[in-house]
Amino acid sequence: KAGVTQTPRYLIKTRGQQVTLSCSPISGHRSVSWYQQTPGQGLQFLFEYFSETQRNKGNFPGRFSGRQFSNSRSEMNVSTLELGDSALYLCASSLEFGYEQYFGPGTRLTVT
Amino acid sequence: AQSVTQPDIHITVSEGASLELRCNYSYGATPYLFWYVQSPGQGLQLLLKYFSGDTLVQGIKGFEAEFKRSQSSFNLRKPSVHWSDAAEYFCAVALTGTASKLTFGTGTRLQVTL
Repeated sequence: KAGVTQTPRYLIKTRGQQVTLSCSPISGHRSVSWYQQTPGQGLQFLFEYFSETQRNKGNFPGRFSGRQFSNSRSEMNVSTLELGDSALYLCASSLEFGYEQYFGPGTRLTVT
Repeated sequence: AQSVTQPDIHITVSEGASLELRCNYSYGATPYLFWYVQSPGQGLQLLLKYFSGDTLVQGIKGFEAEFKRSQSSFNLRKPSVHWSDAAEYFCAVALTGTASKLTFGTGTRLQVTL
């Protein structure tokens, strides 16, 4: 079974722009979560979607948003990019509520 | 708020030696517990998980972890380390009943010398 896929793998954006990252979960998985990984803050939870509804949200500003489609694929969007948004963005999927998560390879975002 | 502590930032072991990576958590109840491994430039791979039951859990790649409620610990062990085990290891916790909002420790970087 194919794992979690994320596109693009690498992205360079300019401060003030917006960006959309995509995540395709493992087939049959209905929950998708997003995490930000930086050297300074480590791994931090952004949000989780299940059946197209946001179920959990971390402590990030409103510039960070996401959505989930009926096929469980998810996107996250960051508007008005700041230098501090440079990070590895990881997507994880799980079968259902309460099951372990499996991570994708991540999207490396660099904001200049 | 729940928190996870991995006291060792960096550990170096010789190939063939045993390994123990420490993880302590702070939470009002027993959470779900996980260990993930991350190789450079890669995502996170799940090594093992503890939800309930037997406190000694077996994972992939020969790793095991023991949950000790009295010490709020979930230490990862491997009897004989291979050079390919060099990576960063993360302990994570989640609220009981949900495994989706993970709180991670800061990670332990493992270096293996030949």
